[in-house]
Amino acid sequence: QKEVEQNSGPLSVPEGAIASLNCTYSDRGSQSFFWYRQYSGKSPELIMFIYSNGDKEDGRFTAQLNKASQYVSLLIRDSQPSDSATYLCAVNIPGGSSNTGKLIFGQGTTLQVKP
Amino acid sequence: GAGVSQSPRYKVAKRGQDVALRCDPISGHVSLFWYQQALGQGPEFLTYFQNEAQLDKSGLPSDRFFAERPEGSVSTLKIQRTQQEDSAVYLCASSLWVQASSGNTIYFGEGSWLTVV
Repeated sequence: QKEVEQNSGPLSVPEGAIASLNCTYSDRGSQSFFWYRQYSGKSPELIMFIYSNGDKEDGRFTAQLNKASQYVSLLIRDSQPSDSATYLCAVNIPGGSSNTGKLIFGQGTTLQVKP
Repeated sequence: GAGVSQSPRYKVAKRGQDVALRCDPISGHVSLFWYQQALGQGPEFLTYFQNEAQLDKSGLPSDRFFAERPEGSVSTLKIQRTQQEDSAVYLCASSLWVQASSGNTIYFGEGSWLTVV
């Protein structure tokens, strides 16, 4: 079992719809959770982070965390064609003698928003 | 520079050739990471530096991979005797502090695309 799992997709939604991206993780010691967006041929770009159970909203994006279920999700409201990209879930798994901030990534979910 | 800079952007190497990939992190950033990203996959952690100290190299796939950051700024990832399975994008990332926190964003460079033929 991989440490961070995502459905590779593609997830296809019409413009204006809500896109829901999901991620599960295996290490209960995980403390912080990140969503990165990666356009084809580009580097990952941080769009959201969440540390506490519940919802965190930032503009059209909402991150949801449920530590008991080891589940984190990203909702994108009013999806736009420009949101079409791969969305990477990343988890910080502390360990060793220092909390290095090392991130473990899922394989990413490809989102396609159709006009 | 304003962001994490990597060079070369693209490299084609013949199998067995040695390659060196350079990363220039954001000025003042303490933490530096190297990741390997194969096509269609998420980035896989390779190694981590805190200033000049390499504190975690658990992700390096073999002893052909070597990384250094001698003065705590620029880092080089060296791959010896390249193999076809080494073909991937090598991403460098940096962050200001050490611990993961709300303000400690990890910034990625554009990557070095390595193709081994």
